[in-house]
Amino acid sequence: GNSVTQMEGPVTLSEEAFLTINCTYTATGYPSLFWYVQYPGEGLQLLLKATKADDKGSNKGFEATYRKETTSFHLEKGSVQVSDSAVYFCALTTDSWGKLQFGAGTQVVVTP
Amino acid sequence: GAVVSQHPSRVICKSGTSVKIECRSLDFQATTMFWYRQFPKKSLMLMATSNEGSKATYEQGVEKDKFLINHASLTLSTLTVTSAHPEDSSFYICSASRLSGGVGSYNEQFFGPGTRLTVL
Repeated sequence: GNSVTQMEGPVTLSEEAFLTINCTYTATGYPSLFWYVQYPGEGLQLLLKATKADDKGSNKGFEATYRKETTSFHLEKGSVQVSDSAVYFCALTTDSWGKLQFGAGTQVVVTP
Repeated sequence: GAVVSQHPSRVICKSGTSVKIECRSLDFQATTMFWYRQFPKKSLMLMATSNEGSKATYEQGVEKDKFLINHASLTLSTLTVTSAHPEDSSFYICSASRLSGGVGSYNEQFFGPGTRLTVL
C-alpha cells in the first residue's frame, strides 16, 4: 500500500532561517505528490504539487522536487517568516479519484 | 476558483443528538467528495469517499451507520453524525475533487475550512 513519512515536529526556528521538512513515500504506480499547509483553526490549503519525476513545485517561496530515485519530496524555504507558522502535510495520490494519503504532519513555529 | 465551503464551522450539541455537516463546492461540480476527521495534533484520517448519486465508500473501521453520508448533487455532500457522543468530538474536513486539466491532469482535491464538533 501507499504511505507517507515526514519528519516529526514541532520544528522551531527564527525568522529568516532556512526550513527543510523531509518527506519520503512508498507507492504503487506513479504517484502525484503534494504539500498542504494548515494554519491554526483552518482547513488545508494546497501549497505546491508535482505530478511526475523531477518536477519541481513552488509557491510562496516554498519549493519541493519530486525525486523518484530517493522516493522523496522534501519541502524547503530559504527564509521563513512568522506567518509561515503552521502545520505542513506531505501527501500523495495514485488513485483515479484523487484519494490522498497524508503524512503525519509537521508543525512549524517561526519566532520573531 | 475551486472554493469549497462547510457549514456550520462550529457546532456544540448534546450527547445522543444528530448533527449534519454540509460540504459545498461553490464554483465547480465535484463528482467526488471526501470526508476526513482530524484529531488534535494528528494527521487527517479519511473516513469515506462520496460519489454523486451513489453510496459512499467507507474506510475500514468507520461505522457507516454512525456517519451517514449523502451526495445528492454535484455540489453538495452531507455528513450526519448520528447519536453523537463525546468521543465523536473532532474537526471534520471535507474536500471536493476536480480534474486539474492540462498535461498530466489528475483529480485535484480542494478542501473546506472544516467543522469543529463538540459533543457534551
